[in-house]
Amino acid sequence: SQQGEEDPQALSIQEGENATMNCSYKTSINNLQWYRQNSGRGLVHLILIRSNEREKHSGRLRVTLDTSKKSSSLLITASRAADTASYFCAVRNSGNTPLVFGKGTRLSVIA
Amino acid sequence: NAGVTQTPKFQVLKTGQSMTLQCAQDMNHEYMSWYRQDPGMGLRLIHYSVGAGITDQGEVPNGYNVSRSTTEDFPLRLLSAAPSQTSVYFCASSSASTGGYQPQHFGDGTRLSIL
Repeated sequence: SQQGEEDPQALSIQEGENATMNCSYKTSINNLQWYRQNSGRGLVHLILIRSNEREKHSGRLRVTLDTSKKSSSLLITASRAADTASYFCAVRNSGNTPLVFGKGTRLSVIA
Repeated sequence: NAGVTQTPKFQVLKTGQSMTLQCAQDMNHEYMSWYRQDPGMGLRLIHYSVGAGITDQGEVPNGYNVSRSTTEDFPLRLLSAAPSQTSVYFCASSSASTGGYQPQHFGDGTRLSIL
């Protein structure tokens, strides 16, 4: 399967620092999405970037997509303790084919 | 607006028992899916549905059945529970679109232990 793979698996930073997570995938995609999961909860959609887009912003989030390298990055600026969660990328091949998720990055933001 | 509701939240079964995990959404979404989440494995797709009466297999369908008789409900059935099915199960829904540019909405999961 063309599972997205996040890197690093775990990341620990101080409050106020920026956090960068990367995602690589194997084949061509229609869109790539990032989700957050707080402990014991379901996933929450953060941002979607289409294959013809290179960068998107949403509040303190910045997502880039490089289709030539089959990779994406999620940047969280000025991180807060409340950003502590697991972050997953998910790719969609085409149309309404199922989303395929990566294994996630666990982010810890220390106050 | 409840979104995606999963029941039960926790369940303990004995090997060989059967049970149904319930999933309901009130957003009139065409697309629904079931994932399992295991430590270090991310989310793996079990089954999905693109509309009432239509289901298809995902990456790990063995041991599970689904049906979609209404738009709102998408139950997942474990036929004969095995310890390997101990996991957290998530149901998700999204509206259908030509390009698939719709986010998925997730329930809070069912934590299932098979003894």
